[in-house]
Amino acid sequence: AQKVTQAQTEISVVEKEDVTLDCVYETRDTTYYLFWYKQPPSGELVFLIRRNSFDEQNEISGRYSWNFQKSTSSFNFTITASQVVDSAVYFCALSEAYTGNQFYFGTGTSLTVIP
Amino acid sequence: DADVTQTPRNRITKTGKRIMLECSQTKGHDRMYWYRQDPGLGLRLIYYSFDVKDINKGEISDGYSVSRQAQAKFSLSLESAIPNQTALYFCATRDRGSSPLHFGNGTRLTVT
Repeated sequence: AQKVTQAQTEISVVEKEDVTLDCVYETRDTTYYLFWYKQPPSGELVFLIRRNSFDEQNEISGRYSWNFQKSTSSFNFTITASQVVDSAVYFCALSEAYTGNQFYFGTGTSLTVIP
Repeated sequence: DADVTQTPRNRITKTGKRIMLECSQTKGHDRMYWYRQDPGLGLRLIYYSFDVKDINKGEISDGYSVSRQAQAKFSLSLESAIPNQTALYFCATRDRGSSPLHFGNGTRLTVT
């Protein structure tokens, strides 16, 4: 079974629109960590954020915000006022303490911001 | 200079050839990983190593082997390359505990 599901394969928005990328995870562990990575067209993987399972506070960093809800096993990522430079593939990942902190990646969401 | 360096960046090889992808890091991390990325499949773990003497198979290790020559070096070999090993390969490092993975820039491998 897929531990991390990113149901949105591709999303297109017009510049300045807000967009939310969904991430649903599955784990039996009580201690786990969630991550988001960005992969721009140049191909590198850039770490964006880490959340631990004990901290459900939402986080905001500039135009980026993350909503972590344990009740729905979701860790969604919102980009406000999107820009062309936000065009990339975004990956959500889960790391569980009981599996030695192995990473499980979703299949990614490809975001295109149209100017 | 990059903290995690992969060489080569691009490689085209023929079916049946042996090929090695190299990774070196300056982050001082014990843990190193090799992932493969295919369109629509995300990142899949090939091998990982928690230290020089500890090497483990990931979910798709068949057809691959690795060598951890030193704390800072972790190489991936394809003993006899086949076309379905055409993919983007990433090396990553990680500190202990819950820290994030730090990726190299990737090696784009094409097997013809």
